[in-house]
Amino acid sequence: KAGVTQTPRYLIKTRGQQVTLSCSPISGHRSVSWYQQTPGQGLQFLFEYFSETQRNKGNFPGRFSGRQFSNSRSEMNVSTLELGDSALYLCASSWLTSGLTDTQYFGPGTRLTVL
Amino acid sequence: ILNVEQSPQSLHVQEGDSTNFTCSFPSSNFYALHWYRWETAKSPEALFVMTLNGDEKKKGRISATLNTKEGYSYLYIKGSQPEDSATYLCAPYNNNDMRFGAGTRLTVKP
Repeated sequence: KAGVTQTPRYLIKTRGQQVTLSCSPISGHRSVSWYQQTPGQGLQFLFEYFSETQRNKGNFPGRFSGRQFSNSRSEMNVSTLELGDSALYLCASSWLTSGLTDTQYFGPGTRLTVL
Repeated sequence: ILNVEQSPQSLHVQEGDSTNFTCSFPSSNFYALHWYRWETAKSPEALFVMTLNGDEKKKGRISATLNTKEGYSYLYIKGSQPEDSATYLCAPYNNNDMRFGAGTRLTVKP
């Protein structure tokens, strides 16, 4: 069974631009969560989606948004990029309604650099 | 604000040693606690998800316990091996919020 895939793996953008990252969960998984990892803040929870609905949201500004499609694939968008948005963005998928109480399987991540 | 503390920050042990780490978190409105293992240049790997007070889980040489009333969890590694070298993260899920600890970085010397 294929694992969680994320595209692109690396991305370079400039301040003020916007970016969209994609995550395809393990086949059959319906919950997708997104995380940001930076050297200063560590790993932080962004949001979780199940059946195309956002179920939980972390403490991030509105510039960070996401959505989930009917095939469970998810996208994350960051608008008006700032230098501090440079990070590794990870997504994880799981079976249950609330992925946050279930085993999560992580993808390889997208490394975003904002110049 | 969900304060998650992990100790120690780092640990160096010899192959064959047993070791343990601590994760402390607020006990209110607790739903679940995750333990992850994160090796350099790889993705985090789920070790355990624990939901009930008194839970004990085991996976090979690694085990974990959970005390939701006092807000702590212990992770134990028996007979550490060099391949156990990684950062171990805990992440409690409370109040519809999930926070990660800074992790314990374990180095096992052969």
